[in-house]
Amino acid sequence: EADIYQTPRYLVIGTGKKITLECSQTMGHDKMYWYQQDPGMELHLIHYSYGVNSTEKGDLSSESTVSRIRTEHFPLTLESARPSHTSQYLCASSVWGGGIEKLFFGSGTQLSVL
Amino acid sequence: AQSVAQPEDQVNVAEGNPLTVKCTYSVSGNPYLFWYVQYPNRGLQFLLKYITGDNLVKGSYGFEAEFNKSQTSFHLKKPSALVSDSALYFCAVSDGSSNTGKLIFGQGTTLQVKP
Repeated sequence: EADIYQTPRYLVIGTGKKITLECSQTMGHDKMYWYQQDPGMELHLIHYSYGVNSTEKGDLSSESTVSRIRTEHFPLTLESARPSHTSQYLCASSVWGGGIEKLFFGSGTQLSVL
Repeated sequence: AQSVAQPEDQVNVAEGNPLTVKCTYSVSGNPYLFWYVQYPNRGLQFLLKYITGDNLVKGSYGFEAEFNKSQTSFHLKKPSALVSDSALYFCAVSDGSSNTGKLIFGQGTTLQVKP
């Protein structure tokens, strides 16, 4: 079982602040993903990475940015938080096994921007 | 408790033929239903959702799904399959009546479309 950690679990912050959501995994997975989810609604892929120094934008336009300097670390940054950024952010990593790519999700960060 | 079942591990169809990927669900409140596709190395991508309204929902890449309340099903369909549709498909449900809104995923169905 892969271990993937997200911090903080909850974050309440004021408009205009810069924030970084942390995501780390200990299994050496090359591929990592960030998803945005409103309560009860669909996951939307906002960023992904194939490995170190690789970052790509996902299907949903996002004002956030990501970096991948180390395999295990895939932080997401909002330069200036706004109330429209209030959402749950889920990080995931994946590995191939038995011909199937298996996703492992972190526990999420619930962001509230006031 | 919420649950989702995808009874088929794999579905094989020939290109040009219609395809169906099955999903049944159980939820105590109002079902919000979703289909996702996972292409290799791309993670999960959202295809379509049912919240309310018409039982037939149209989504990305020509896919559609039909919500059937009496059968508690939300099968994914496409009239004419493409080889490029080959991927792993996940059905998911959340309880629209719940404040937590947690998504529950099925175990996934691999779709293989042969030329």
